[in-house]
Amino acid sequence: GENVEQHPSTLSVQEGDSAVIKCTYSDSASNYFPWYKQELGKGPQLIIDIRSNVGEKKDQRIAVTLNKTAKHFSLHITETQPEDSAVYFCAAMGSTLGRLYFGRGTQLTVWP
Amino acid sequence: GAGVSQSPSNKVTEKGKDVELRCDPISGHTALYWYRQSLGQGLEFLIYFQGNSAPDKSGLPSDRFSAERTGGSVSTLTIQRTQQEDSAVYLCASSLVGQGLRNGYTFGSGTRLTVV
Repeated sequence: GENVEQHPSTLSVQEGDSAVIKCTYSDSASNYFPWYKQELGKGPQLIIDIRSNVGEKKDQRIAVTLNKTAKHFSLHITETQPEDSAVYFCAAMGSTLGRLYFGRGTQLTVWP
Repeated sequence: GAGVSQSPSNKVTEKGKDVELRCDPISGHTALYWYRQSLGQGLEFLIYFQGNSAPDKSGLPSDRFSAERTGGSVSTLTIQRTQQEDSAVYLCASSLVGQGLRNGYTFGSGTRLTVV
Protein backbone atom coordinates (compact mmCIF):
# COMPACT_ATOMS: atom_id res chain seq x y z
CA GLY A 1 0.00 0.00 0.00
CA GLU A 2 0.87 3.67 0.07
CA ASN A 3 3.55 5.02 2.44
CA VAL A 4 3.46 8.69 3.40
CA GLU A 5 6.41 10.35 5.15
CA GLN A 6 6.02 13.77 6.80
CA HIS A 7 8.67 16.21 8.03
CA PRO A 8 9.38 17.85 10.36
CA SER A 9 7.65 16.25 13.33
CA THR A 10 7.80 19.54 15.25
CA LEU A 11 8.09 23.10 13.97
CA SER A 12 8.33 26.33 15.95
CA VAL A 13 8.05 29.72 14.27
CA GLN A 14 7.63 33.32 15.32
CA GLU A 15 4.31 34.98 14.63
CA GLY A 16 4.36 36.50 11.15
CA ASP A 17 6.93 34.06 9.78
CA SER A 18 6.18 31.35 7.24
CA ALA A 19 5.91 27.63 7.98
CA VAL A 20 6.49 24.78 5.53
CA ILE A 21 5.64 21.12 6.06
CA LYS A 22 6.76 18.52 3.55
CA CYS A 23 5.44 15.07 2.67
CA THR A 24 6.51 12.34 0.30
CA TYR A 25 4.49 9.38 -0.96
CA SER A 26 5.36 6.08 -2.57
CA ASP A 27 2.40 5.09 -4.79
CA SER A 28 2.68 6.75 -8.19
CA ALA A 29 -1.07 6.10 -8.67
CA SER A 30 -1.94 8.50 -5.82
CA ASN A 31 -3.91 11.44 -7.15
CA TYR A 32 -5.54 13.19 -4.20
CA PHE A 33 -3.67 14.93 -1.38
CA PRO A 34 -5.56 16.57 1.53
CA TRP A 35 -4.16 18.36 4.56
CA TYR A 36 -5.75 18.27 8.00
CA LYS A 37 -5.40 20.50 11.05
CA GLN A 38 -6.05 19.03 14.47
CA GLU A 39 -6.50 21.31 17.44
CA LEU A 40 -6.22 20.02 20.98
CA GLY A 41 -9.18 17.86 21.96
CA LYS A 42 -10.76 17.93 18.51
CA GLY A 43 -10.90 15.71 15.46
CA PRO A 44 -8.77 16.58 12.40
CA GLN A 45 -10.33 19.13 10.04
CA LEU A 46 -9.70 19.37 6.30
CA ILE A 47 -8.04 22.71 5.52
CA ILE A 48 -6.96 22.34 1.90
CA ASP A 49 -6.57 19.63 -0.71
CA ILE A 50 -5.01 19.23 -4.13
CA ARG A 51 -5.63 16.85 -6.98
CA SER A 52 -2.97 15.54 -9.30
CA ASN A 53 -4.01 17.61 -12.29
CA VAL A 54 -2.74 20.82 -10.67
CA GLY A 55 0.62 21.79 -9.23
CA GLU A 56 -0.42 24.43 -6.73
CA LYS A 57 -3.49 25.60 -4.87
CA LYS A 58 -3.89 28.59 -2.60
CA ASP A 59 -6.51 29.63 -0.06
CA GLN A 60 -5.73 32.90 1.70
CA ARG A 61 -2.67 32.29 3.88
CA ILE A 62 -2.29 28.60 3.11
CA ALA A 63 -1.07 26.98 -0.08
CA VAL A 64 -0.19 23.47 -1.17
CA THR A 65 2.24 22.47 -3.90
CA LEU A 66 2.51 19.10 -5.61
CA ASN A 67 5.41 17.61 -7.56
CA LYS A 68 4.19 14.35 -9.07
CA THR A 69 7.51 13.52 -10.66
CA ALA A 70 9.31 13.66 -7.34
CA LYS A 71 6.27 12.36 -5.44
CA HIS A 72 6.22 15.06 -2.85
CA PHE A 73 3.81 17.75 -1.73
CA SER A 74 4.08 20.60 0.74
CA LEU A 75 1.93 22.85 2.89
CA HIS A 76 2.90 26.50 3.13
CA ILE A 77 1.44 28.84 5.75
CA THR A 78 2.33 32.51 5.44
CA GLU A 79 1.99 35.26 8.05
CA THR A 80 1.53 32.70 10.80
CA GLN A 81 -0.65 33.50 13.79
CA PRO A 82 -0.83 31.87 17.24
CA GLU A 83 -4.16 30.26 16.27
CA ASP A 84 -2.31 28.32 13.56
CA SER A 85 -0.71 26.30 16.37
CA ALA A 86 -1.95 22.72 15.97
CA VAL A 87 -0.96 19.32 14.61
CA TYR A 88 -1.03 19.11 10.82
CA PHE A 89 -1.42 15.84 8.91
CA CYS A 90 -0.80 15.25 5.24
CA ALA A 91 -2.45 12.35 3.41
CA ALA A 92 -2.53 10.66 0.04
CA MET A 93 -5.22 8.63 -1.72
CA GLY A 94 -3.98 6.12 -4.24
CA SER A 95 -5.08 2.97 -5.93
CA THR A 96 -7.27 1.81 -3.03
CA LEU A 97 -10.43 3.80 -3.69
CA GLY A 98 -11.47 5.88 -0.73
CA ARG A 99 -8.56 4.97 1.51
CA LEU A 100 -6.35 7.83 2.75
CA TYR A 101 -2.84 7.15 4.02
CA PHE A 102 -1.71 9.69 6.61
CA GLY A 103 1.66 11.08 7.57
CA ARG A 104 2.64 10.98 11.23
CA GLY A 105 1.84 14.63 11.83
CA THR A 106 3.68 17.90 12.49
CA GLN A 107 3.21 19.81 15.73
CA LEU A 108 3.33 23.49 14.71
CA THR A 109 3.82 26.08 17.44
CA VAL A 110 3.55 29.77 16.60
CA TRP A 111 5.07 32.03 19.26
CA PRO A 112 3.56 35.51 19.70
CA GLY B 1 -26.92 16.45 11.43
CA ALA B 2 -24.34 18.47 9.61
CA GLY B 3 -21.30 16.61 10.86
CA VAL B 4 -20.04 13.23 12.06
CA SER B 5 -21.37 12.47 15.52
CA GLN B 6 -19.64 10.16 17.97
CA SER B 7 -20.84 8.91 21.31
CA PRO B 8 -19.96 8.82 24.07
CA SER B 9 -17.42 11.62 24.03
CA ASN B 10 -15.67 10.10 27.04
CA LYS B 11 -15.71 6.56 28.39
CA VAL B 12 -13.95 5.18 31.44
CA THR B 13 -14.09 1.41 31.82
CA GLU B 14 -12.51 -1.25 33.97
CA LYS B 15 -9.94 -3.59 32.50
CA GLY B 16 -11.63 -6.70 31.12
CA LYS B 17 -14.97 -5.06 30.37
CA ASP B 18 -16.45 -4.73 26.87
CA VAL B 19 -17.15 -1.30 25.36
CA GLU B 20 -19.15 -0.07 22.38
CA LEU B 21 -18.40 3.16 20.58
CA ARG B 22 -20.93 4.68 18.20
CA CYS B 23 -20.54 6.74 15.04
CA ASP B 24 -23.24 8.55 13.07
CA PRO B 25 -21.77 9.57 9.70
CA ILE B 26 -22.88 12.41 7.46
CA SER B 27 -26.08 11.45 5.67
CA GLY B 28 -25.34 10.17 2.17
CA HIS B 29 -21.68 9.44 2.77
CA THR B 30 -20.91 6.00 1.41
CA ALA B 31 -17.66 5.38 3.26
CA LEU B 32 -16.98 5.19 7.00
CA TYR B 33 -13.63 4.84 8.74
CA TRP B 34 -12.38 4.19 12.26
CA TYR B 35 -9.00 5.42 13.47
CA ARG B 36 -7.24 5.26 16.81
CA GLN B 37 -5.03 8.03 18.18
CA SER B 38 -2.91 7.43 21.25
CA LEU B 39 -1.72 10.43 23.27
CA GLY B 40 0.51 12.62 21.12
CA GLN B 41 0.59 10.09 18.30
CA GLY B 42 -0.60 9.90 14.72
CA LEU B 43 -3.70 8.36 13.19
CA GLU B 44 -3.76 4.56 13.29
CA PHE B 45 -6.13 3.07 10.72
CA LEU B 46 -8.50 0.43 12.10
CA ILE B 47 -11.29 -0.37 9.61
CA TYR B 48 -13.00 0.99 6.47
CA PHE B 49 -16.57 0.40 5.24
CA GLN B 50 -17.50 1.29 1.66
CA GLY B 51 -21.07 0.79 0.50
CA ASN B 52 -22.03 -2.87 0.36
CA SER B 53 -18.47 -4.10 -0.08
CA ALA B 54 -16.75 -6.28 2.50
CA PRO B 55 -15.03 -3.99 5.02
CA ASP B 56 -11.26 -3.54 5.03
CA LYS B 57 -10.36 -4.85 8.50
CA SER B 58 -6.62 -4.85 7.94
CA GLY B 59 -5.94 -2.31 10.70
CA LEU B 60 -7.71 -4.03 13.58
CA PRO B 61 -4.98 -4.75 16.17
CA SER B 62 -6.46 -7.98 17.58
CA ASP B 63 -9.56 -10.18 17.48
CA ARG B 64 -10.86 -8.28 20.52
CA PHE B 65 -11.74 -5.46 18.12
CA SER B 66 -14.74 -5.64 15.79
CA ALA B 67 -16.98 -3.19 14.00
CA GLU B 68 -20.20 -3.23 12.10
CA ARG B 69 -22.15 -0.79 10.03
CA THR B 70 -25.88 -1.27 9.97
CA GLY B 71 -28.00 -0.19 7.02
CA GLY B 72 -25.08 1.60 5.45
CA SER B 73 -25.25 4.31 8.09
CA VAL B 74 -24.49 4.06 11.83
CA SER B 75 -21.40 2.15 12.88
CA THR B 76 -20.42 0.55 16.18
CA LEU B 77 -16.85 -0.28 17.19
CA THR B 78 -16.72 -2.95 19.89
CA ILE B 79 -13.70 -3.72 22.05
CA GLN B 80 -13.96 -6.88 24.11
CA ARG B 81 -12.02 -7.59 27.30
CA THR B 82 -10.46 -4.13 27.28
CA GLN B 83 -6.79 -3.71 28.18
CA GLN B 84 -4.96 -0.62 29.41
CA GLU B 85 -3.17 -0.30 26.07
CA ASP B 86 -6.58 0.22 24.44
CA SER B 87 -6.74 3.66 26.09
CA ALA B 88 -6.81 6.20 23.27
CA VAL B 89 -9.07 8.52 21.32
CA TYR B 90 -11.14 6.63 18.78
CA LEU B 91 -11.99 8.76 15.75
CA CYS B 92 -14.66 8.07 13.18
CA ALA B 93 -14.77 9.70 9.74
CA SER B 94 -17.04 9.53 6.72
CA SER B 95 -16.60 10.39 3.07
CA LEU B 96 -18.38 10.32 -0.28
CA VAL B 97 -16.54 7.81 -2.43
CA GLY B 98 -17.18 6.52 -5.92
CA GLN B 99 -15.55 5.95 -9.28
CA GLY B 100 -13.83 9.17 -10.20
CA LEU B 101 -14.57 10.71 -6.82
CA ARG B 102 -11.71 11.65 -4.58
CA ASN B 103 -12.83 13.45 -1.45
CA GLY B 104 -11.42 14.08 1.96
CA TYR B 105 -12.81 12.71 5.17
CA THR B 106 -14.97 14.52 7.69
CA PHE B 107 -13.94 13.47 11.18
CA GLY B 108 -16.00 13.37 14.34
CA SER B 109 -14.67 14.74 17.62
CA GLY B 110 -13.77 11.28 18.86
CA THR B 111 -14.41 9.11 21.89
CA ARG B 112 -11.74 9.26 24.58
CA LEU B 113 -11.48 5.77 26.05
CA THR B 114 -9.70 5.26 29.36
CA VAL B 115 -9.19 1.73 30.68
CA VAL B 116 -8.42 1.61 34.40
